[in-house]
Amino acid sequence: QQQVKQSPQSLIVQKGGISIINCAYENTAFDYFPWYQQFPGKGPALLIAIRPDVSEKKEGRFTISFNKSAKQFSLHIMDSQPGDSATYFCAAVGTGSARQLTFGSGTQLTVLP
Amino acid sequence: GAGVSQSPSNKVTEKGKDVELRCDPISGHTALYWYRQRLGQGLEFLIYFQGNSAPDKSGLPSDRFSAERTGESVSTLTIQRTQQEDSAVYLCASSLPLGTTHTQYFGPGTRLTVL
Repeated sequence: QQQVKQSPQSLIVQKGGISIINCAYENTAFDYFPWYQQFPGKGPALLIAIRPDVSEKKEGRFTISFNKSAKQFSLHIMDSQPGDSATYFCAAVGTGSARQLTFGSGTQLTVLP
Repeated sequence: GAGVSQSPSNKVTEKGKDVELRCDPISGHTALYWYRQRLGQGLEFLIYFQGNSAPDKSGLPSDRFSAERTGESVSTLTIQRTQQEDSAVYLCASSLPLGTTHTQYFGPGTRLTVL
């Protein structure tokens, strides 16, 4: 059962362009939505996160847009750079005692120079 | 400071053998998680430890999988009688006590290949 659906699976963007990755969730008990960035051979690292009472959060070139009624959220990378080339995972944290992350399937982003 | 470390970085084993994977969390992080990442997929939750509380084992895929944690330090994930479908990267993450932050810090993972 895939509780967090992520698209696209892969994305190629020119340097300076905008990268957009979308996620949708089913479980209304999720209450925290982080995005993780993973480089080859490394573990995922937290990039930016949002709570459902906020519609947008911006940190530098990275913005999360959150639509609670549609149960969708997206990551926008402005002025994409070749160094942004990585795999991006959206995730959601539930209200259970473990607070484990439920991950999307990932988006492999390639930014062309 | 030191991040989460995992060993070995790579493990190749034969079908039917047992393997043990190790995780050293960040000092002071009472919460520890194990996840599995199959090729080209997202991470799947396996097990969660919080201090001395009973672990949440709800994500373990079969009784061949088990994990232990010594206090608030090292954890080991054991897979008995490995199968080819166990091939994956096993990632460990740690975090401060729940309620303080949701941020999980991941190690580099152990790539397990079962021949």
